[in-house]
Amino acid sequence: SQQGEEDPQALSIQEGENATMNCSYKTSINNLQWYRQNSGRGLVHLILIRSNEREKHSGRLRVTLDTSKKSSSLLITASRAADTASYFCATDGNQFYFGTGTSLTVIP
Amino acid sequence: GAGVSQSPSNKVTEKGKDVELRCDPISGHTALYWYRQSLGQGLEFLIYFQGNSAPDKSGLPSDRFSAERTGGSVSTLTIQRTQQEDSAVYLCASSLDGYYGYTFGSGTRLTVV
Repeated sequence: SQQGEEDPQALSIQEGENATMNCSYKTSINNLQWYRQNSGRGLVHLILIRSNEREKHSGRLRVTLDTSKKSSSLLITASRAADTASYFCATDGNQFYFGTGTSLTVIP
Repeated sequence: GAGVSQSPSNKVTEKGKDVELRCDPISGHTALYWYRQSLGQGLEFLIYFQGNSAPDKSGLPSDRFSAERTGGSVSTLTIQRTQQEDSAVYLCASSLDGYYGYTFGSGTRLTVV
């Protein structure tokens, strides 16, 4: 089955630093998405990158995709305390599969 | 409404009872998904509805779980004879066509005691 697996599992940084999270998956995809989940709230869709794209930007977010390595990375630049959340990648099909996520803590 | 609405937001039930969880997707979204997230674990796919096609039920963990989607809109997830391991947050998501960005509801937190 397709599955996104994120690493690291937990990341703690100082405000203003950049945070990088990685995701690996197992099978071919049409697109890959990154989501954020704040504690006690629903998932928020951050960005989608299609399999024919290598890099995509959205505000302070930068996503890369390497289909040959079946991996993606999410970079959050100039982090803020409000970025503290769990971040999930999800791969497509007629189902989306999520990993357990990377728990990011941004220390003010 | 503007988003995906789930109800109830919290449900505590006794082991062995049946529960129904409701999801109101965004109007016009043809794809609807149910997931659950157990404590400390990733999201687990349960079931997928796409338009008038037969639903993909491959993620349902047992025959105690069932879901329906009436009129291509509202969906109900039913868990019969609940067990403690059913305790989780149940999330619903809808998508315009099932291929692109999803909008998630805030979930139903189910606690089986």
